Amino acid sequence: GESVGLHLPTLSVQEGDNSIINCAYSNSASDYFIWYKQESGKGPQFIIDIRSNMDKRQGQRVTVLLNKTVKHLSLQIAATQPGDSAVYFCAESGGGSNYKLTFGKGTLLTVNP
Amino acid sequence: DAGVIQSPRHEVTEMGQEVTLRCKPISGHDYLFWYRQTMMRGLELLIYFNNNVPIDDSGMPEDRFSAKMPNASFSTLKIQPSEPRDSAVYFCASKAVNTGELFFGEGSRLTVL
Repeated sequence: GESVGLHLPTLSVQEGDNSIINCAYSNSASDYFIWYKQESGKGPQFIIDIRSNMDKRQGQRVTVLLNKTVKHLSLQIAATQPGDSAVYFCAESGGGSNYKLTFGKGTLLTVNP
Repeated sequence: DAGVIQSPRHEVTEMGQEVTLRCKPISGHDYLFWYRQTMMRGLELLIYFNNNVPIDDSGMPEDRFSAKMPNASFSTLKIQPSEPRDSAVYFCASKAVNTGELFFGEGSRLTVL
């Protein structure tokens, strides 16, 4: 039948487990990537970014991996906490003077206590 | 800093009415973006400004939509006349030059009856 709305991919994990959220992008010219977290009723919040000259970048409890060969991006969250429950978006930009960020559809992460 | 400030947070209006959404970017940020978020289409870039000048408005859906940035601390997104399909959450975001991170406001939730 016809889709009523976006069917967000969902990931459900237990508190303390590690989470991996995946994202595929299509524009091979994209050279800048960001992960955002959006809690219910709030605006997206920056988590971590990575440029195309890198394949890994670490932050506090988060790691972003970039595989340009297959145009794939992942966000790893260590020791997931209930406060990590949110929708996670990857976004890409063509770089240079192009500051347009194109967002993916998002993944809903639910952390069970 | 107070962050990106949007108003109103919620607006309910009737079809045909004019809607004006307002945004105050973070002081010192040179770029301002307007995004629309719906369940069907996710986060879509409508328009962005650099130093108060519109750079790319290719995402503005129709002539009913217009955006202005009369000065560095204020922008408006206007819909005239509004239609039920304009119902969405509209986000404003700003960023500084030479950084990739967009700072989002809390959004304006618009319902057109």
